[in-house]
Amino acid sequence: EVQLVESGGGLVKPGGSLRLSCAASGFTFSSYSMNWVRQAPGKGLEWVSSISSSSSYIYYADSVKGRFTISRDNAKNSLYLQMNSLRAEDTAVYYCARDPGYSGSPGAFDIWGQGTMVTVSS
Amino acid sequence: AIRMTQSPSSFSASTGDRVTITCRASQGISSYLAWYQQKPGKAPKLLIYAASTLQSGVPSRFSGSGSGTDFTLTISCLQSEDFATYYCQQYYSYPPLTFGGGTKVEIK
Repeated sequence: EVQLVESGGGLVKPGGSLRLSCAASGFTFSSYSMNWVRQAPGKGLEWVSSISSSSSYIYYADSVKGRFTISRDNAKNSLYLQMNSLRAEDTAVYYCARDPGYSGSPGAFDIWGQGTMVTVSS
Repeated sequence: AIRMTQSPSSFSASTGDRVTITCRASQGISSYLAWYQQKPGKAPKLLIYAASTLQSGVPSRFSGSGSGTDFTLTISCLQSEDFATYYCQQYYSYPPLTFGGGTKVEIK
């Protein structure tokens, strides 16, 4: 079964750090670009970051640039998001999502994890 | 950044209805548009990509159309399991990839 499972969320104080992980299974992880998408409570979807299959291309939303770092370990079939200098507005469910490569560049997301909640509060 | 505007933001409909959701891009995006369905507490599900291509396993009552700046998602005969929130997303210009604000389809 094709599956993505996020972990690492939790409660953190403003200015703190957190590292999210996403474990992939059921497909050749190293062949796909991957993404993080977040959703604040009661709000819509916000793309956070993308990383290409070989980590050659990395993109960030302006709202997280300089604070968040996306990475991957293809040997471990894992995607990561290192989040530093966290703010209250980073509070959200964070999803990892696979890009099926329909467009040959960052595109739609066909497989999503169940999400992990990050709460930034003092 | 390309802004995606969905309308309406919410509406009520009955099972069996034909419903249409609109998504407008702030600039032309060719056909680089996807539609997602999200139910409460669940991850989004890809319905349509490339504006009109149905994702594998998605029922044929869902269809998408449009190109350039104006797009529509149509559900030909609304089923009980279709009550959810729907999002459009452009992937023509990045970063950032951007989503519409969502359209909630509620039971009348």
